[in-house]
Amino acid sequence: GAGVSQSPSNKVTEKGKDVELRCDPISGHTALYWYRQSLGQGLEFLIYFQGNSAPDKSGLPSDRFSAERTGGSVSTLTIQRTQQEDSAVYLCASSFRSLHEQYFGPGTRLTVT
Amino acid sequence: GESVGLHLPTLSVQEGDNSIINCAYSNSASDYFIWYKQESGKGPQFIIDIRSNMDKRQGQRVTVLLNKTVKHLSLQIAATQPGDSAVYFCAENRNMRFGAGTRLTVKP
Repeated sequence: GAGVSQSPSNKVTEKGKDVELRCDPISGHTALYWYRQSLGQGLEFLIYFQGNSAPDKSGLPSDRFSAERTGGSVSTLTIQRTQQEDSAVYLCASSFRSLHEQYFGPGTRLTVT
Repeated sequence: GESVGLHLPTLSVQEGDNSIINCAYSNSASDYFIWYKQESGKGPQFIIDIRSNMDKRQGQRVTVLLNKTVKHLSLQIAATQPGDSAVYFCAENRNMRFGAGTRLTVKP
């Protein structure tokens, strides 16, 4: 089957605009994760969804960031009033369940001008 | 706070040599660890995992060692090849935190 997909692959936006990033996890995977990676840096955890449990939002850097996961499948990461420091690659991953290997999507490269 | 980190940010090896990448963790409750490889422009890719009831696990050309006493992980790559050049991350899945990564460069 298909792997994790993300869209768009690239997004250029003006400072102050809102953006939505989409993640389609592998079918049947109950866990979904969002990370942020700045150039040459490691992965910064943002948020984690597991089944119907309340998401772990402990990594979200500010209240401008939010994420939803509808129907236990597709997830959308929303960044409101984007700032230049939001520029990064946003990676989504899914796993069969927690404590299992994560399968990563190709990422969305966000550039805020 | 709790963290997962790597000792060496860069590692350069000669083709054919063995590579060892190290990782420290501080959460003593961690019970599952994963190594990922990230090539330029791509998302991380699973290499090998190990659970805390083991101290060694072998894959194809890769071995992960876990020392729970000192909270240390290592990834050993045998006969390193140019295609192994990438950034390697360790992660402990209890809180989804990744280390900063080690960039492995293989010289032909």
